[in-house]
Amino acid sequence: QKEVEQDPGPLSVPEGAIVSLNCTYSNSAFQYFMWYRQYSRKGPELLMYTYSSGNKEDGRFTAQVDKSSKYISLFIRDSQPSDSATYLCAMSGYSQGGSEKLVFGKGTKLTVNP
Amino acid sequence: ETGVTQSPTHLIKTRGQQVTLRCSSQSGHNTVSWYQQALGQGPQFIFQYYREEENGRGNFPPRFSGLQFPNYSSELNVNALELDDSALYLCASSPGLGTDTQYFGPGTRLTVL
Repeated sequence: QKEVEQDPGPLSVPEGAIVSLNCTYSNSAFQYFMWYRQYSRKGPELLMYTYSSGNKEDGRFTAQVDKSSKYISLFIRDSQPSDSATYLCAMSGYSQGGSEKLVFGKGTKLTVNP
Repeated sequence: ETGVTQSPTHLIKTRGQQVTLRCSSQSGHNTVSWYQQALGQGPQFIFQYYREEENGRGNFPPRFSGLQFPNYSSELNVNALELDDSALYLCASSPGLGTDTQYFGPGTRLTVL
């Protein structure tokens, strides 16, 4: 079983729709949870960062963490064509040697149609 | 823009060759992490350098090695290239050791033929 599972999609929605992206994880040692956005031919860009169960809102984006179910979500309200990208969930774990590392999901490719 | 740059943008090599990829971190960022992102996959952690010393490694063989220099630049070296090494290689810099402040570069696309 992979440490982080994410449905790769693709997901296609009309402009203005509410988008829901999800990841599950198996390692209960993960403490921090992130969502990255990656445009084509670019590096990942941090969107949201949370470390506890509950909701965190930033503009049109809401990140939700449920540690008891090992489940995280990202909601995008009033989606725009500029939101079209691949969304990666990531969790903070530890490498051999003890350094923090990010463990990523596969990414979900989102297209928002005008 | 994150202020993290990588070179070259694209690279084509043949199996068995060696390659060096370069990253320039933000000034003051003492930590650099390298990730491999295969097509359709999320990035996978290769290793991390802090103040010029390797301080963490993922499940990659020793033919993947790195260097970090005092001027906030770093290198990823891969020896004896294999076809499966074809991927986007990303570096991420951060001021400290936490993962919450990693800034990614645009990546180097490596193709091994």
